[in-house]
Amino acid sequence: QKEVEQNSGPLSVPEGAIASLNCTYSDRGSQSFFWYRQYSGKSPELIMSIYSNGDKEDGRFTAQLNKASQYVSLLIRDSQPSDSATYLCAVETGSARQLTFGSGTQLTVLP
Amino acid sequence: GAVVSQHPSWVICKSGTSVKIECRSLDFQATTMFWYRQFPKQSLMLMATSNEGSKATYEQGVEKDKFLINHASLTLSTLTVTSAHPEDSSFYICSARGPGQIYEQYFGPGTRLTVT
Repeated sequence: QKEVEQNSGPLSVPEGAIASLNCTYSDRGSQSFFWYRQYSGKSPELIMSIYSNGDKEDGRFTAQLNKASQYVSLLIRDSQPSDSATYLCAVETGSARQLTFGSGTQLTVLP
Repeated sequence: GAVVSQHPSWVICKSGTSVKIECRSLDFQATTMFWYRQFPKQSLMLMATSNEGSKATYEQGVEKDKFLINHASLTLSTLTVTSAHPEDSSFYICSARGPGQIYEQYFGPGTRLTVT
């Protein structure tokens, strides 16, 4: 069974700090990785995609991928209270390229 | 770009009735659409994958006769929950993906179903 594991949290950081979210996956054949943000009662919103080993930066967000270690992470710099949400790691698997989601990490940024 | 809509956003129905949920890709053609279900405090669980013009592929444990999926066009997929029961109450979310090898899935806003 293809699995995606996330540090379940909850994670609390002070405003302005760096929040670090981690994810591991079991399917070595996976090629595409995504981070979604989900506010309570809302649907997931795509914030980062990463396909190659290394870092990918977009504004305050940096995704890191290490396929050898089957590890993907998300760093949020200068965290803001509006970043408080559940962050879902998703890995694309299968011939239909379905997404398998981790259980999510609940992040709270304290003002 | 990449906007996905769902309708209705919430629905309350009586046990035993059927409910139809629509999912539309507004500014792109979605070759594949996915239907997810999310219970409170849990992550998203994929229910089925649908490709335009073909039968949906259901995940293990999902009753295809209860959750009818139709993907009649490149911009519209529907999920019908037949003979709904209170245990079907959940947050149903669709996502859509266009053609190509690298193309993210974009999610609709979700439909909250309550069966009384």
